Amino acid sequence: AQRVTQPEKLLSVFKGAPVELKCNYSYSGSPELFWYVQYSRQRLQLLLRHISRESIKGFTADLNKGETSFHLKKPFAQEEDSAMYYCALSGPEGTYKYIFGTGTRLKVLA
Amino acid sequence: EAGVAQSPRYKIIEKRQSVAFWCNPISGHATLYWYQQILGQGPKLLIQFQNNGVVDDSQLPKDRFSAERLKGVDSTLKIQPAKLEDSAVYLCASSLSTGLETQYFGPGTRLLVL
Repeated sequence: AQRVTQPEKLLSVFKGAPVELKCNYSYSGSPELFWYVQYSRQRLQLLLRHISRESIKGFTADLNKGETSFHLKKPFAQEEDSAMYYCALSGPEGTYKYIFGTGTRLKVLA
Repeated sequence: EAGVAQSPRYKIIEKRQSVAFWCNPISGHATLYWYQQILGQGPKLLIQFQNNGVVDDSQLPKDRFSAERLKGVDSTLKIQPAKLEDSAVYLCASSLSTGLETQYFGPGTRLLVL
């Protein structure tokens, strides 16, 4: 069965420290993976997707098929990064049904 | 560009009552999604429309939930009768098409069933 696991409900880091939000997935085919973010009082929005291989707001994520992971990383956290982060998987081909993880709340402390 | 609109924003009902939610997607977006997000969990896809046809409704509790997208634009999600465990935020999202297009989310409707 397809599944997305985010093991940490809450991650607190100090401003300027590196950040890594973990995401592991279970999928039998070739997954498409995404990170969505929800800032306080704002809508859920796309942060980045693995097929774009881009860096958004300093965040990057690498798909590791061997470890079935798609961890989100940023070298230096900023206070405005505080938000709820959701990892999501899309598949199978044809329907592209999305499955979201339970989310990790990131708190960046001054 | 106007975003995805949802109404109402909040709704409180008693169990066994009926409730309906409305969603207006971004103009030109062919695909519309309804998600249920229970407190502490990630969004769970209930139903996905491509224009006015259903692409996936495998996780929609069809004994009590129904959804339609007439004319391939606006959509309504109905719960009849509601149960306590239906308390959640109901999110609507739209995208240009299915596949890997970015989903744009509405503000959600927060439902409390007493």
